[in-house]
Amino acid sequence: AQKVTQAQTEISVVEKEDVTLDCVYETRDTTYYLFWYKQPPSGELVFLIRRNSFDEQNEISGRYSWNFQKSTSSFNFTITASQVVDSAVYFCALSEFNTDKLIFGTGTRLQVFP
Amino acid sequence: EPEVTQTPSHQVTQMGQEVILRCVPISNHLYFYWYRQILGQKVEFLVSFYNNEISEKSEIFDDQFSVERPDGSNFTLKIRSTKLEDSAMYFCASSGGTGYGYTFGSGTRLTVV
Repeated sequence: AQKVTQAQTEISVVEKEDVTLDCVYETRDTTYYLFWYKQPPSGELVFLIRRNSFDEQNEISGRYSWNFQKSTSSFNFTITASQVVDSAVYFCALSEFNTDKLIFGTGTRLQVFP
Repeated sequence: EPEVTQTPSHQVTQMGQEVILRCVPISNHLYFYWYRQILGQKVEFLVSFYNNEISEKSEIFDDQFSVERPDGSNFTLKIRSTKLEDSAMYFCASSGGTGYGYTFGSGTRLTVV
């Protein structure tokens, strides 16, 4: 069965701290896709990254980086030098090859204080 | 950058009334979706639509729900007889293909009173 677990319900940090959001997934498929979305207070879902199961290279985009480890079924997201504008709910999501639906985790609310 | 457009942004309706939520997906996308997010909870899949038919639906998507692509550009979600528990944010999304990434609209907040 497909499942995405984001164990951290809420994280609070002070600006400029680094923060890592955890994501653990379950799937029986060998081909699947992992995503991170940001949901700011305005409510929209903002796409951050897509990673397929065959590409375990870590990725960095500015202050954002992602660590994909198939051995532990994890796809963690790190924000370096956090800023107040990073305050949002972050969702990890999984899509298997034979289905086109996204399975979301429960989200992690990140609050960055000045 | 192409975007998915949803209207209205907020709709209030009385219990038992029918509502239609509208979406204009990205023009060259072939796969269309509706998701729901009850306030403070996770985003849940409702239905996917490809080649003018439903390709997959969740347990939430019961007989009260229907989807349609009436004119080649709009994609609609109809709730026939709304219940209080249908109050949620409804997101439309479109995709160029399985696993290609999904572009979400900004959502319609449905409030059933």
